[in-house]
Amino acid sequence: RKEVEQDPGPFNVPEGATVAFNCTYSNSASQSFFWYRQDCRKEPKLLMSVYSSGNEDGRFTAQLNRASQYISLLIRDSKLSDSATYLCVVNMKTGGFKTIFGAGTRLFVKA
Amino acid sequence: EAQVTQNPRYLITVTGKKLTVTCSQNMNHEYMSWYRQDPGLGLRQIYYSMNVEVTDKGDVPEGYKVSRKEKRNFPLILESPSPNQTSLYFCASSPGQGNPLSYEQYFGPGTRLTVT
Repeated sequence: RKEVEQDPGPFNVPEGATVAFNCTYSNSASQSFFWYRQDCRKEPKLLMSVYSSGNEDGRFTAQLNRASQYISLLIRDSKLSDSATYLCVVNMKTGGFKTIFGAGTRLFVKA
Repeated sequence: EAQVTQNPRYLITVTGKKLTVTCSQNMNHEYMSWYRQDPGLGLRQIYYSMNVEVTDKGDVPEGYKVSRKEKRNFPLILESPSPNQTSLYFCASSPGQGNPLSYEQYFGPGTRLTVT
């Protein structure tokens, strides 16, 4: 079983739609959580950190459920420019400091 | 401009010919890391460095070496490249002070390596 799992998609949604991505992690030593965005094999860029209390940044909302070991990302009012791959990232301390990426969820927003 | 740079951006080489991919950051970050990205597998961590002269293995270190002699540079060395090391490689850095797990990572533009 992969340490961080995401639905690969693709998700095809119309502009204005609300779309949700989930990510599960298996290691309870996981300490911090992030969503990154990656465009067309370019470098990943931070979208938002994820906190236990949940956090919101404009149209984006991230949630963390430590008991169930999953994190989520909600995108409201999707824009064409939201089309990208969304990467779930987990940092953990297991002997050393490790960063584990999910394989990514592909989103296509269409006019 | 704060950035992470990698060179070369594209490289085609032959099996067994030693190569080095350079990575440099100008943000005075303590933590640096190398990843490879393959279709369907996402990014996998190769090596990371907590600070100068401190390096540790990630999930897929076999066939790679790194060094951290200066804070700003973290080169990735392939002593004897093989075709299964054909991949897209990213270098990243983060502030790292205190708990390095707390910080976001800043990525370089990537190096596309093909080993024939």
